[in-house]
Amino acid sequence: QVQLQQSGPGLVKPSQTLSLTCAISGDSVSSNSAAWNWIRQSPSRGLEWLGRTYYRSKWYNDYAVSVKSRITINPDTSKNQFSLQLNSVTPEDTAVYYCARGKPTMVRGVIITDHFDYWGQGTLVTVSS
Amino acid sequence: DIQMTQSPSSLSASVGDRVTITCRASQSISSYLNWYQQKPGKAPKLLIYAASSLQSGVPSRFSGSGSGTDFTLTISSLQPEDFATYYCQQSYSTLLFGQGTRLEIK
Repeated sequence: QVQLQQSGPGLVKPSQTLSLTCAISGDSVSSNSAAWNWIRQSPSRGLEWLGRTYYRSKWYNDYAVSVKSRITINPDTSKNQFSLQLNSVTPEDTAVYYCARGKPTMVRGVIITDHFDYWGQGTLVTVSS
Repeated sequence: DIQMTQSPSSLSASVGDRVTITCRASQSISSYLNWYQQKPGKAPKLLIYAASSLQSGVPSRFSGSGSGTDFTLTISSLQPEDFATYYCQQSYSTLLFGQGTRLEIK
């Protein structure tokens, strides 16, 4: 049974960096069949996919255009976890953040579809001074 | 960008009713459409992937259909635990969720 356990602060000041970690049990961050995602949810933006990291002989990252200049998702193989860093946050980044396992279908090395079958418990992050 | 439109945005129904929720894409997304259920304070739960494949452990009263631009999620006989918000998600291009359909008790 796959479980994802999120950790990180619930309050971040404007212009600072939001950092969250997602610890994986029951699977491996280096899995050749999974992708590891961050998704957030707010009343104004709904559910918004932020990005993912995955391993297919080497590490890859994909990021949403809306946050691409500010986001980093990193795997940590020693702790079997992955992390989210979102820089230069504003109150617009206030949301519940989720990590999720993706099960992508790949054709000739390209992800053509994905769905999220396991989710973390969610972390409410408030951006406020 | 491909836009996803769910309808209705909210729905009232009774236990035992058959319910259908629709998701429409602004252009063809083949069968790259997934459905999730979310209850208050909880993470979304995958119900259907690839338009019509039932996720393991999900009751058979849930079913999905469609391809191209028009998709439906059907609950054949509503149970008390099914009252929740439902989201579609396309995975053809940038991963994008619909705005949700809130299913309430009549």
